[in-house]
Amino acid sequence: KQEVTQIPAALSVPEGENLVLNCSFTDSAIYNLQWFRQDPGKGLTSLLLIQSSQREQTSGRLNASLDKSSGRSTLYIAASQPGDSATYLCAVRPGSGGSNYKLTFGKGTLLTVNP
Amino acid sequence: DGGITQSPKYLFRKEGQNVTLSCEQNLNHDAMYWYRQDPGQGLRLIYYSQIVNDFQKGDIAEGYSVSREKKESFPLTVTSAQKNPTAFYLCASSILGQGPHNQPQHFGDGTRLSIL
Repeated sequence: KQEVTQIPAALSVPEGENLVLNCSFTDSAIYNLQWFRQDPGKGLTSLLLIQSSQREQTSGRLNASLDKSSGRSTLYIAASQPGDSATYLCAVRPGSGGSNYKLTFGKGTLLTVNP
Repeated sequence: DGGITQSPKYLFRKEGQNVTLSCEQNLNHDAMYWYRQDPGQGLRLIYYSQIVNDFQKGDIAEGYSVSREKKESFPLTVTSAQKNPTAFYLCASSILGQGPHNQPQHFGDGTRLSIL
């Protein structure tokens, strides 16, 4: 059974700092991995999706990397801002792909960026 | 604007009562999903549907029921058999397909269910 772990559970940094959030998964046979952002009391917003054949994806100040063989992904946030404060979740889709669209989520990292 | 609408935002359930959470999408997505989120926890899949009139159980389907009579709608009923229903419920949708059509799931803003 796939398990997804996110470390740290919470992180507090001063504004302007570069930071890394970690995600690990136990079954390396994944189809893709997604990073989401969740604001308090809200739904999830997809940030980046990395296919199993890709090594990284970039969007603005965000860069996500994937090392499928070691079961790890990182989300790098450059020049953090108070508006980046949120919970960040990663989720993996099974490697069978096909008709299997079920995602397994980690518990998330609560990020606080202090002005 | 295309998106997913969940209602109500807050819902209270009495003992022995069934309640229904609404989820509507105008994204023309084939697949829809219901997740449950408990404090400090990741999302857990309750039910999902890839086509009208068909749906599958997720990891925690006991005490819940769904229907998919229209492509746009995927309501979730929390039955009295669900003994611990207090949670944040999230609905999502996605297109189906591989390769370039492999799209992320889009989420609604959730319904918070509490017990009276």
